[in-house]
Amino acid sequence: QSVLTQPPSASGTPGQRVTISCSGSSSNIGSSNVYWYQQLPGTAPKLLIYRNNQRPSGVPDRFSGSKSGTSASLAISGLRSEDEADYYCAAWDDSLSGRVFGGGTKLTVL
Amino acid sequence: EVQLVESGGGLVQPGGSLKLSCAASGFTFSGSAMHWVRQASGKGLEWVGRIRSKANTYATAYGASVKGRVTISRDDSKNTAYLQMNSLKTEDTAVYYCNAIAVAGTADDYWGQGTLVTVSS
Repeated sequence: QSVLTQPPSASGTPGQRVTISCSGSSSNIGSSNVYWYQQLPGTAPKLLIYRNNQRPSGVPDRFSGSKSGTSASLAISGLRSEDEADYYCAAWDDSLSGRVFGGGTKLTVL
Repeated sequence: EVQLVESGGGLVQPGGSLKLSCAASGFTFSGSAMHWVRQASGKGLEWVGRIRSKANTYATAYGASVKGRVTISRDDSKNTAYLQMNSLKTEDTAVYYCNAIAVAGTADDYWGQGTLVTVSS
């Protein structure tokens, strides 16, 4: 059972907008930055969003992050087939004194 | 170009030990926090632990499932981080990634390709 809660799956058709939620608590999302990682099949995770809503250079602006209270969301607009991947949220947890990840959301592009 | 290359994975018997290495290049290794994250086959990411930079007193922290059995260290002169794993269990079987975070709260977050550790008799 992961400390951060994500839906196990999400799906959409090309061009659609999908959102992936990440629910935590006051000791993690509520008090620290949220990061999102994209993991394409058979590859290492890659940073997608940092500091809640910032995109690294090279990440398309179709990807956006937000945070409110103890929850965060990743939105992907203009869905493309190459967005099919696993997505993970992460944050530091002050109570655990460690980094915590969500269980991951498998995004399928129909 | 940033590179993180893990090595040292392999097959080990339950109760055995293994030491993984992560060789870094292309960024300021000495100023970075080095994390280890693992992923069992078909499962999600699990944080193993991290070591901070010299400026942050090389502070370490570990995940609950490995605490007391693993030690993370680094050699800044070799731009290499290590994960020493002892008393290995079958549930430690996973791909182990090293993850460098050069500056907390920035996009300087890099991952290696991973190395597979299999704990089995």
